[in-house]
Amino acid sequence: AQTVTQSQPEMSVQEAETVTLSCTYDTSENNYYLFWYKQPPSRQMILVIRQEAYKQQNATENRFSVNFQKAAKSFSLKISDSQLGDTAMYFCAFKGGSEKLVFGKGTKLTVNP
Amino acid sequence: NAGVTQTPKFQVLKTGQSMTLQCAQDMNHNSMYWYRQDPGMGLRLIYYSASEGTTDKGEVPNGYNVSRLNKREFSLRLESAAPSQTSVYFCASSPALTGTGRGTQYFGPGTRLLVL
Repeated sequence: AQTVTQSQPEMSVQEAETVTLSCTYDTSENNYYLFWYKQPPSRQMILVIRQEAYKQQNATENRFSVNFQKAAKSFSLKISDSQLGDTAMYFCAFKGGSEKLVFGKGTKLTVNP
Repeated sequence: NAGVTQTPKFQVLKTGQSMTLQCAQDMNHNSMYWYRQDPGMGLRLIYYSASEGTTDKGEVPNGYNVSRLNKREFSLRLESAAPSQTSVYFCASSPALTGTGRGTQYFGPGTRLLVL
C-alpha cells in the first residue's frame, strides 16, 4: 500500500522569506500523480500544485514550486516570498492507479509578520 | 461555476440518529468521493463513485452508505450515528483520466458533524 510521510508537523517562516516543506512517499507504481493541498483555518482544501510522475520538469505555480525526485520518492514544496495568507495546514497527497488519494498527516505552516 | 457544494455546513446528532450529507458538483466530473478528516490526520476515503451508477468502498466504509443519484450528486448516509463518526466530511470530484486536470480531485467546503 502506498504511504505518504510528512516529517515536519509544524514550521514557521518570516514574511517575505522562503520555506520548504518535505514529503516522501512509498509506491511500487511507475505512473502516478502528486499533489500539495493547502487547508487554511476555513477548512477548505485548496489545490496548490500538481505533478505528474512521468514529467521530469518540476511543476511551478507563481510563488509555489516543487522539487520532485522520483528515484528518491521525494516531493518537497517551496514557497517563495511567503505571505501571511500562506498560513495553513499543507497536505502532500499521492494518487496512483486506484481512485483514492493517499494523504500525509500534514505540516502546519505559520507565516510571521 | 460553484464547483463542489456540500450541505449542511454543520450538524449535531444524537447517538443512533440518521442523516444524509449532500454533495453536488457542476464541473461535469465523472468521479466523486467522500472523505473524513479527524484531528491530526489527513483525509481518509470512505466511499467513491467512479461513474454514475457505480460505488465502491474506500478505506473506512463501516457505518456509512452512499448513493450516486446522477452525475452531479453523491450523497453520504449515516444510518445510526455513533460518537466515533464525529468528524469533518469532505466531498470531492475528479475529471476523467484523460485531458486537463486528470487525476486531480477538487474538494467541497466540508461538513462538520458532531455526534453526542
